[in-house]
Amino acid sequence: TQLLEQSPQFLSIQEGENLTVYCNSSSVFSSLQWYRQEPGEGPVLLVTVVTGGEVKKLKRLTFQFGDARKDSSLHITAAQPGDTGLYLCAGAPGIQGAQKLVFGQGTRLTINP
Amino acid sequence: EPEVTQTPSHQVTQMGQEVILRCVPISNHLYFYWYRQILGQKVEFLVSFYNNEISEKSEIFDDQFSVERPDGSNFTLKIRSTKLEDSAMYFCASNGGLHYGYTFGSGTRLTVV
Repeated sequence: TQLLEQSPQFLSIQEGENLTVYCNSSSVFSSLQWYRQEPGEGPVLLVTVVTGGEVKKLKRLTFQFGDARKDSSLHITAAQPGDTGLYLCAGAPGIQGAQKLVFGQGTRLTINP
Repeated sequence: EPEVTQTPSHQVTQMGQEVILRCVPISNHLYFYWYRQILGQKVEFLVSFYNNEISEKSEIFDDQFSVERPDGSNFTLKIRSTKLEDSAMYFCASNGGLHYGYTFGSGTRLTVV
């Protein structure tokens, strides 16, 4: 059974600080996705990383897929209150077209003004 | 931006009753999914669906659950005889293929009393 562990589970920092959220597994994933979920809503896709070592940037957010495709990180530079929310990583274990996703438990991020 | 639409947004049902949760995936997507999220817990995979048949299902998706794509646009999840532990947020999702991120609906909050 593939598992994804996110850390930290909760993070509260001041506006302007930098932060990194980690997503780790002992299993290899064919791709890794990051989502943001607001209360009472479905997850919204931020990025998909596919190649080991891949780095993608989305404004102040930087996503990296580990070389061995077992882990990933999300780094936020100069965090803003609008970044507050629940961040989920999700891995696709297989290579078939209909990909189930294995989700981490989430990191609840609070950015204080 | 194309959306995945789910109805109803809330459903309260008595234990033992049948419920049907409805979803309209994005029209040019090929793969359809149902996930659930019990309050405070991880998002969990239930079932994937492609080419009018189930591709994969989890242990949660037992004989009480079924899925259908009755008319080429709707995608439904039926729970035949609901239990208290079926209370959760149910998310429908769709994507275009391998390594494509998912688009999730806003969910149906199912409460079994």
